[in-house]
Amino acid sequence: DAGITQSPRHKVTETGTPVTLRCHQTENHRYMYWYRQDPGHGLRLIHYSYGVKDTDKGEVSDGYSVSRSKTEDFLLTLESATSSQTSVYFCAISGGPQREAFFGQGTRLTVV
Amino acid sequence: QQQVKQSPQSLIVQKGGISIINCAYENTAFDYFPWYQQFPGKGPALLIAIRPDVSEKKEGRFTISFNKSAKQFSLHIMDSQPGDSATYFCAASGPGANNLFFGTGTRLTVIP
Repeated sequence: DAGITQSPRHKVTETGTPVTLRCHQTENHRYMYWYRQDPGHGLRLIHYSYGVKDTDKGEVSDGYSVSRSKTEDFLLTLESATSSQTSVYFCAISGGPQREAFFGQGTRLTVV
Repeated sequence: QQQVKQSPQSLIVQKGGISIINCAYENTAFDYFPWYQQFPGKGPALLIAIRPDVSEKKEGRFTISFNKSAKQFSLHIMDSQPGDSATYFCAASGPGANNLFFGTGTRLTVIP
């Protein structure tokens, strides 16, 4: 498996609380991505990073923010969690958008 | 707007049969078309990928067929096995894009 670790793997949180998910890589890949996976919607891009402190929005970025202060870490923050953000979140890493993307094991987040 | 449209949403095939999943894209600049396989509880993993300089690519029982004029590509799984039961995602990317655009996924079930 590619050296990519997501934490936590499972989390239950209350509506309105902030939540941070962490993605850590040991592959020194330039690109890192956060996706959410929901039935009927496939994988939808939330935010991505193309270098340290270089980030951009994906198609479903509202309510989410990210930070990348080191090559190996990409954090996803839900500022104030809502029930619509209940989902499985995947981090992915890649040497480029036209190269193989390696996915983490996912984080199952439930907002109650 | 869905950049890549995938069908069917679900597919049931008998062991030994052929599984066919189709995808269509709009952006003629796309020039990288991978397929990802995802087992329950796991992150997606690259299965096979094609670039438009060829019309077909085969790896074992898995074949991608690519039709540039129709802007379509498909995954064929020959001699389908129960172990192939998984969710399959097509994706596309191209120059100027910083990410992969994924289809909505196809849940394949191969019955013994």
